[in-house]
Amino acid sequence: AQRVTQPEKLLSVFKGAPVELKCNYSYSGSPELFWYVQYSRQRLQLLLRHISRESIKGFTADLNKGETSFHLKKPFAQEEDSAMYYCALRSDRGSTLGRLYFGRGTQLTVWP
Amino acid sequence: DTEVTQTPKHLVMGMTNKKSLKCEQHMGHRAMYWYKQKAKKPPELMFVYSYEKLSINESVPSRFSPECPNSSLLNLHLHALQPEDSALYLCASSALNRGRTDTQYFGPGTRLTVL
Repeated sequence: AQRVTQPEKLLSVFKGAPVELKCNYSYSGSPELFWYVQYSRQRLQLLLRHISRESIKGFTADLNKGETSFHLKKPFAQEEDSAMYYCALRSDRGSTLGRLYFGRGTQLTVWP
Repeated sequence: DTEVTQTPKHLVMGMTNKKSLKCEQHMGHRAMYWYKQKAKKPPELMFVYSYEKLSINESVPSRFSPECPNSSLLNLHLHALQPEDSALYLCASSALNRGRTDTQYFGPGTRLTVL
């Protein structure tokens, strides 16, 4: 069965410190993983997708199939990074094709 | 146009009312989704329409009735709701690229309060 685990519900760091939001997954097919971000009172926005291998707002995430992880990292956190971050896995299977499975989310707070 | 729009932004309704939520996208996407989101929780999938046909219903109570009039529009009809149905209702769409990456884009949501 597919599952996305974000072990930290809350994460606090100081401005300028490195930050890592953890995401582990369980999926028997070829995983397709995403990070979404939800700033206060704003819509859920796509931040990263593993297939693009890009860096957005200084964030990167690498898919590690051996460890079944897709951790989100940023070397120097900024106050404006404070938000709720969701890791999500997309199903590539038949009747659930396209469905997203979300982790519970990690609320990141960056202190000045 | 690269956005998903939703109306209304806020809705307050009584348990005997009938109301509808609307969602629109003009990105040519062929899949549209309704989610329910409680505060500080991830979105919970309710319905999926693929090529204007209902493909997934996550055992949602019948007081929620989805409708997809065309490929750009998605409605959610509400009737006889309960206070526990108060939540942020999100619409999303995706291109539904089989075999390739397919990204869901979310609307801003409708904040629903049931009195």
